[in-house]
Amino acid sequence: GESVGLHLPTLSVQEGDNSIINCAYSNSASDYFIWYKQESGKGPQFIIDIRSNMDKRQGQRVTVLLNKTVKHLSLQIAATQPGDSAVYFCAENFASGSARQLTFGSGTQLTVLP
Amino acid sequence: EAGVTQSPTHLIKTRGQQVTLRCSSQSGHNTVSWYQQALGLGLQFLLWYDEGEERNRGNFPPRFSGRQFPNYSSELNVNALELEDSALYLCASSRAGQSYNEQFFGPGTRLTVL
Repeated sequence: GESVGLHLPTLSVQEGDNSIINCAYSNSASDYFIWYKQESGKGPQFIIDIRSNMDKRQGQRVTVLLNKTVKHLSLQIAATQPGDSAVYFCAENFASGSARQLTFGSGTQLTVLP
Repeated sequence: EAGVTQSPTHLIKTRGQQVTLRCSSQSGHNTVSWYQQALGLGLQFLLWYDEGEERNRGNFPPRFSGRQFPNYSSELNVNALELEDSALYLCASSRAGQSYNEQFFGPGTRLTVL
């Protein structure tokens, strides 16, 4: 069946460094890929999405890269800050009949070190 | 603009009992989704409602059910609780007609089944 998974469960980076969080997906029919951030005690928060016909999209301090050849998605965070410490989930959005569904990966815990 | 709210924040039940969780959508949103997040794991899609109709359902048994009210708030009902139902239950709202990528999550209800 379809699945979205992550290469690494945890990632520690020094404040000010760039972070790269990776994700593998298996559903080639997904229309969009999305990154969410979940801080402790809160619900996930949308960060950025990318359409399946694109390979790169930039936001504020974040860049998402999509490699459809190897079914790989990554989130790059520039100049990582303490407030970036959270669990990051990738998700894919695909049509399920007339409905849509988001399938989430298991998450990567990002810790920003002082 | 009020965000997504959920009640209660915490709940303790015993095996075999029934529980109802509540979610108020963000203003202007007409779709609601429910997710189960077991400790340390990703989000598992449960249900999706749009204009009061169940549009999509995840791989969960029929004892998980819900509904969406005319004011777009929603309930999740779980019957015959089992120990493995212990999890954080998240609801998310979005505006129909958009890509559905950006869902606005509530803080969740932490359910513990003893």
